[in-house]
Amino acid sequence: SQQGEEDPQALSIQEGENATMNCSYKTSINNLQWYRQNSGRGLVHLILIRSNEREKHSGRLRVTLDTSKKSSSLLITASRAADTASYFCATVLQGGSEKLVFGKGTKLTVNP
Amino acid sequence: DAGVTQSPTHLIKTRGQHVTLRCSPISGHKSVSWYQQVLGQGPQFIFQYYEKEERGRGNFPDRFSARQFPNYSSELNVNALLLGDSALYLCASSLAWGTDTQYFGPGTRLTVL
Repeated sequence: SQQGEEDPQALSIQEGENATMNCSYKTSINNLQWYRQNSGRGLVHLILIRSNEREKHSGRLRVTLDTSKKSSSLLITASRAADTASYFCATVLQGGSEKLVFGKGTKLTVNP
Repeated sequence: DAGVTQSPTHLIKTRGQHVTLRCSPISGHKSVSWYQQVLGQGPQFIFQYYEKEERGRGNFPDRFSARQFPNYSSELNVNALLLGDSALYLCASSLAWGTDTQYFGPGTRLTVL
């Protein structure tokens, strides 16, 4: 079963706009990670945020984590056509398991 | 440095056949994980191996098996293929047990007819 649920399922914006994707999860986590996938190929790791962190930045990416609400958001600023992809959140659960538990993803389309 | 490599890229099989998928981790990485991604869904965890030992198994039938070799490469085997096994199979490697970031290969697209 899926741990995380991304929202929205699909998002279409214009180049230069900001894109915000949300992820909710069900059980306590060690960390939460965001991945990008282009055209059904391999996943690219974007950013990791640990359960004791609230916000992280990497270039045009900003991730927040609210463990009380069991939710995270990914903000992509000044989007580009090359950002068009599916974005997944994945959690590593507390308890020693190393596996990533993925949501269903948000499909982002950035129109030039 | 080369990333995670997987072979073959695409594969077409018929129901009841057997398939072997291969993965080479990033040089120096000792942990390999396998995921299945059905169209329109997120990846689902199948197996994780570290130092040639199975460290985790997802909710998949016994038709799925895997192993890790002394050079840390890995094979995923699926017996008695079903139509529902059609998916993208992803391999990921990480430096060691307990490290956070998993690096994914491009995947093997399996079609079962």
